[in-house]
Amino acid sequence: ETGVTQSPTHLIKTRGQQVTLRCSSQSGHNTVSWYQQALGQGPQFIFQYYREEENGRGNFPPRFSGLQFPNYSSELNVNALELDDSALYLCASSLLSVANYGYTFGSGTRLTVV
Amino acid sequence: GQSLEQPSEVTAVEGAIVQINCTYQTSGFYGLSWYQQHDGGAPTFLSYNALDGLEETGRFSSFLSRSDSYGYLLLQELQMKDSASYFCAVRSNDYKLSFGAGTTVTVRA
Repeated sequence: ETGVTQSPTHLIKTRGQQVTLRCSSQSGHNTVSWYQQALGQGPQFIFQYYREEENGRGNFPPRFSGLQFPNYSSELNVNALELDDSALYLCASSLLSVANYGYTFGSGTRLTVV
Repeated sequence: GQSLEQPSEVTAVEGAIVQINCTYQTSGFYGLSWYQQHDGGAPTFLSYNALDGLEETGRFSSFLSRSDSYGYLLLQELQMKDSASYFCAVRSNDYKLSFGAGTTVTVRA
């Protein structure tokens, strides 16, 4: 098992730009979800993908979009960046059929929008 | 929607026992999880309760009462390395995992 890896670890973008964050799931996991964590807050659910299909979405606008690939890696895309998008973005993978629904998180991408 | 309440901070000494309570409001409850996070790093899965009762994993135990929409995480024999943020998270049947705002646990010598 290699765990969940995210890239890049840090990123600075300008308001209005677009950004793509990447996530490599833990081996054997077929489900990936993305979270936004502001400083001092809990992670906020953005969306989840199961076998390349989105199967759950939180209260985020359509400019937040994602993809899951056949190898279960994933991307989070954010268009028209706003200052409030500055946060730690976490990716988590899991095996949907596992009863305890434990998610394995990556260390995140720290995005700063200026 | 979902909402979760947990205390913002807890301080205790090494060797002590700490209980972190979590109350939740949700539609389509599926289970309650607990995660540990050190200094903005990767949250680490600690435990999961789908049914009422106590789950024990080493020094950590978690409890759930579905009728009371309440759970807690019990940290025993506290160690300095347990200083971290702890989050309760509700899994609902629409595949969402909703986190509380987190409890910062500070362990003192």
